[in-house]
Amino acid sequence: NAGVTQTPKFQVLKTGQSMTLQCAQDMNHEYMSWYRQDPGMGLRLIHYSVGAGITDQGEVPNGYNVSRSTTEDFPLRLLSAAPSQTSVYFCASSKQGATEAFFGQGTRLTVV
Amino acid sequence: GQQVMQIPQYQHVQEGEDFTTYCNSSTTLSNIQWYKQRPGGHPVFLIQLVKSGEVKKQKRLTFQFGEAKKNSSLHITATQTTDVGTYFCAGKVSNTGKLIFGQGTTLQVKP
Repeated sequence: NAGVTQTPKFQVLKTGQSMTLQCAQDMNHEYMSWYRQDPGMGLRLIHYSVGAGITDQGEVPNGYNVSRSTTEDFPLRLLSAAPSQTSVYFCASSKQGATEAFFGQGTRLTVV
Repeated sequence: GQQVMQIPQYQHVQEGEDFTTYCNSSTTLSNIQWYKQRPGGHPVFLIQLVKSGEVKKQKRLTFQFGEAKKNSSLHITATQTTDVGTYFCAGKVSNTGKLIFGQGTTLQVKP
């Protein structure tokens, strides 16, 4: 059972480039979320989804897009990378009505 | 919007000393969760508290939820080097799976 899988683990982008961070879960969870983690800031919610076809903004959505075409996948798109988006990104999933959120291993992104 | 504040940001203790981290919300929470993140790792769920005044224990860890459901604490008795990491509280928004995290408390334990 793979759980939550994020790819890539590391990425370096140039300012202005675009890319997609992938997140997939095989637990049939309804809820999926993207967080970014910066020193001293904790985990801040970027976007989340309560099911296929439904997404909503979190605390820091600017510069990011998401879609949820299937239950399993929740990709995060950076439209035009900026140095301020240098961070560690975590994807998480949880089952509706359950308590525990499961996190992926994270993607460490550097924008130069 | 909902905010969750956590203190202290860092704590260095000698092995065997106790440790406490505190979490405060700007609004009443339906429940609160605690996660641990080891250095270089990802957050891992520890526990959820739901009821006002609830206290739960996991071996040397004691979790409390305030009577007003706006604050919570995690206390570790007699810390060990395996307790090293960052501890996060997170308030859950009902029916969304949405978690609002505190800033985290990073615990260092000197052997």
